[in-house]
Amino acid sequence: DGGITQSPKYLFRKEGQNVTLSCEQNLNHDAMYWYRQDPGQGLRLIYYSQIVNDFQKGDIAEGYSVSREKKESFPLTVTSAQKNPTAFYLCASSSSGGQPQHFGDGTRLSIL
Amino acid sequence: GNSVTQMEGPVTLSEEAFLTINCTYTATGYPSLFWYVQYPGEGLQLLLKATKADDKGSNKGFEATYRKETTSFHLEKGSVQVSDSAVYFCALLFLMNYGGATNKLIFGTGTLLAVQP
Repeated sequence: DGGITQSPKYLFRKEGQNVTLSCEQNLNHDAMYWYRQDPGQGLRLIYYSQIVNDFQKGDIAEGYSVSREKKESFPLTVTSAQKNPTAFYLCASSSSGGQPQHFGDGTRLSIL
Repeated sequence: GNSVTQMEGPVTLSEEAFLTINCTYTATGYPSLFWYVQYPGEGLQLLLKATKADDKGSNKGFEATYRKETTSFHLEKGSVQVSDSAVYFCALLFLMNYGGATNKLIFGTGTLLAVQP
């Protein structure tokens, strides 16, 4: 079955450490996205990518970095510069521009 | 700017009750509108969509009609079940670049629905 796989499901970060969240899709979608979800809030866009080797900042990109070396993969790195990283992170993808985004099951990041 | 406003939750209903979750939007142009559902510990699933005025999206007994005159997209279900307990997000979509693949979803804050047996 086609879908979006995020790993790990739970992740713990120590102070000063960078961590990388994985996102893989086999839907053959061109565009991929990363969102952050905090309790009681809607989703906020961190980064998005339309094609391989191209990505753009979303609304809250500070303290995060991404890469898009393959169409299927869009990993997100939460750097030590992100001072409040505890959140639920969701990856999504879409085909043509007017089509809805499909979401993975998320990664919950906590600070040790 | 573009924004979505949802009724605040939690909404607590008894099984078989009628559900309405209000959603209104502000947008330039003619966005597509969506309802997503999030079950505990999971990602978002697309529940239904409408791409133009007066369209009615429906799925699993849920319905929503794109009302341009009232800028609304209220979610309704005639008889809720315990299994419908989840967080529901209203969202509008617009293209970030003409002819490209990327679009932007603007989400409401979500409404928690709790259905009691």
